[in-house]
Amino acid sequence: KAGVTQTPRYLIKTRGQQVTLSCSPISGHRSVSWYQQTPGQGLQFLFEYFSETQRNKGNFPGRFSGRQFSNSRSEMNVSTLELGDSALYLCASSSGARKNEQFFGPGTRLTVL
Amino acid sequence: DQQVKQNSPSLSVQEGRISILNCDYTNSMFDYFLWYKKYPAEGPTFLISISSIKDKNEDGRFTVFLNKSAKHLSLHIVPSQPGDSAVYFCAASAYKAGGTSYGKLTFGQGTILTVHP
Repeated sequence: KAGVTQTPRYLIKTRGQQVTLSCSPISGHRSVSWYQQTPGQGLQFLFEYFSETQRNKGNFPGRFSGRQFSNSRSEMNVSTLELGDSALYLCASSSGARKNEQFFGPGTRLTVL
Repeated sequence: DQQVKQNSPSLSVQEGRISILNCDYTNSMFDYFLWYKKYPAEGPTFLISISSIKDKNEDGRFTVFLNKSAKHLSLHIVPSQPGDSAVYFCAASAYKAGGTSYGKLTFGQGTILTVHP
């Protein structure tokens, strides 16, 4: 079974721009969660999508948004980029059931200049 | 408000010995706990999990212990191998009835494990 894939792996943007990151979950998984990892804040939950609906959301500003398609692939968008948005963005997939492990992709390294 | 804490930033162990990584939590709604291993420039890799109805779960060299009264869990790796050198994260989730935490894991800050040959 193929693992979780994320594209692109690396991105460099400038302040004020917007960016879209993509995540393809493990086949059969219907839940996709997104996390931001920074040296200062660690791994922080952004949001989770299940069957094309946002089911849960973390404490991030509205500049961070996402969506999920009918094939369970998910995209995350960050608008009006700030320097502090530089981070590793990870997506994780799971079946979406209770007490189910999440499997992570390799991440997208975003650098904002 | 850090609900999951790993108080040891690093741990150094000799090959063949036991590695014990610790994690504390404050949210009594957490009822499922997981350990992940992470190498630089890669996503976390799932290792082992435990439900709050259990106090121990084993998988090969990895054993997780849960002490609910102390809100403490630990990961034991026996025997430790140089390839185990990585950052280890504990994570927790709350799936109790009425909870709204589906798909959300709360992570500790991680412990860097170094296993010396």
